Amino acid sequence: KAGVTQTPRYLIKTRGQQVTLSCSPISGHRSVSWYQQTPGQGLQFLFEYFSETQRNKGNFPGRFSGRQFSNSRSEMNVSTLELGDSALYLCASSLTGGKLQRSSYEQYFGPGTRLTVT
Amino acid sequence: AQSVTQLDSQVPVFEEAPVELRCNYSSSVSVYLFWYVQYPNQGLQLLLKYLSGSTLVKGINGFEAEFNKSQTSFHLRKPSVHISDTAEYFCAVVLANFGNEKLTFGTGTRLTIIP
Repeated sequence: KAGVTQTPRYLIKTRGQQVTLSCSPISGHRSVSWYQQTPGQGLQFLFEYFSETQRNKGNFPGRFSGRQFSNSRSEMNVSTLELGDSALYLCASSLTGGKLQRSSYEQYFGPGTRLTVT
Repeated sequence: AQSVTQLDSQVPVFEEAPVELRCNYSSSVSVYLFWYVQYPNQGLQLLLKYLSGSTLVKGINGFEAEFNKSQTSFHLRKPSVHISDTAEYFCAVVLANFGNEKLTFGTGTRLTIIP
């Protein structure tokens, strides 16, 4: 079974630009979560999507947004990039049925997209 | 809100020696506990998890962890480490029974194996 894939793997953008990152979950997984990893702040939760709906959101400004498609693939977008947005962005998928079905709580992470803002 | 504390940011250990990576958590409700490993330039890989049942949990690569509710700890152990165990290790929690996939991570412990 193929793992979680993220594209692109590396990205360099200029301050003020916007960027879109893509994540393809493991086949059959319906939940996709996004995390930002930086040396200073560590791993921080951005948001989670389940069945095309944002189910959970972290404490990030509105410049960070996401969406999920009917095939569970997800994208996240960062507008008006700032130098502090330079980070490794990780996507994770899990097999979950939502609140009415016990979740496996096992998240499978992709290799990440390393974003550098100059 | 829940939080995770990994007191040791770096742990050097000689090859074939035992190791313990410490993790303490704080939460007003029940949580599920996880350990993830991150090798250089890679994403995170699940080592083991505790949801319920036996407090001693065995994971991949010879790692195990013990859930201690009274001490709110979930320390990771391995009796004999190998060079290939060099990586960063993250402890994480999820609120139990919320159908919630939001992981709260500790700051990580960098394990360095000395030949």
